[in-house]
Amino acid sequence: QVQLVQSGAEVKKPGASMKVSCKAFGYTFTGYYIHWVRQAPGQGLDWMGWINPYNGDTNYERRFQGRITMTRDTSTSTAYMELTRLTSDDTAMYYCAGSEIAVSGHLDFWGQGTLVTVSS
Amino acid sequence: DIVMTQSPDSLAVSLGERATINCKSSQSVLYSFDNKNYLAWFQQKPGQPPKVLIYWASTRKSGVPDRFSGSGSGTDFTLTISSLQAEDVAVYYCQQYYNSPWTFGQGTKVEIK
Repeated sequence: QVQLVQSGAEVKKPGASMKVSCKAFGYTFTGYYIHWVRQAPGQGLDWMGWINPYNGDTNYERRFQGRITMTRDTSTSTAYMELTRLTSDDTAMYYCAGSEIAVSGHLDFWGQGTLVTVSS
Repeated sequence: DIVMTQSPDSLAVSLGERATINCKSSQSVLYSFDNKNYLAWFQQKPGQPPKVLIYWASTRKSGVPDRFSGSGSGTDFTLTISSLQAEDVAVYYCQQYYNSPWTFGQGTKVEIK
């Protein structure tokens, strides 16, 4: 069945970088944008951007420009999100989610989440 | 950016009663080209990722119980749970995918009275 499986929890020091992976199963990887959404503890959902796995095009939320890089490896159907210059405000659960490119569709399926804690 | 505002922030409803959540967007999310509202509703239970219930404002995702329904167009939308069940306790979010950046409402927490 359609599934996104994310990498495990991470603990990072302030100023460090994080890189989370999201491996796709059960569908055509290049047919769905992979979005990244984060959720700080006890807070709401915060959209970070997407990558088009077909051609590698990206669209980042302005607030993360200069700190975020989304990439993909079509040979392994895996998407990656790297965030640099981490602060405690980046402590959050990070989710990947898929939306169908052809119909400009909604966030249809989600990964299980990756908890990233930024602490000195 | 399109701002999504939900009301109320929380509500407590008796089992079997109706729950209604409202969502207002700061600009229309109705795309005239295809006459679709680019609006989705998500349910998030503690410790779980969000799950889509409704997309295109009123299309129920396959497998979602028919007590969940979405309505509205343009800037004003509603998620209705016609007969609240214990398993519906969750936080509900609306989200627009009309343009970038995609934005979510702040969430509405639904509890049992």
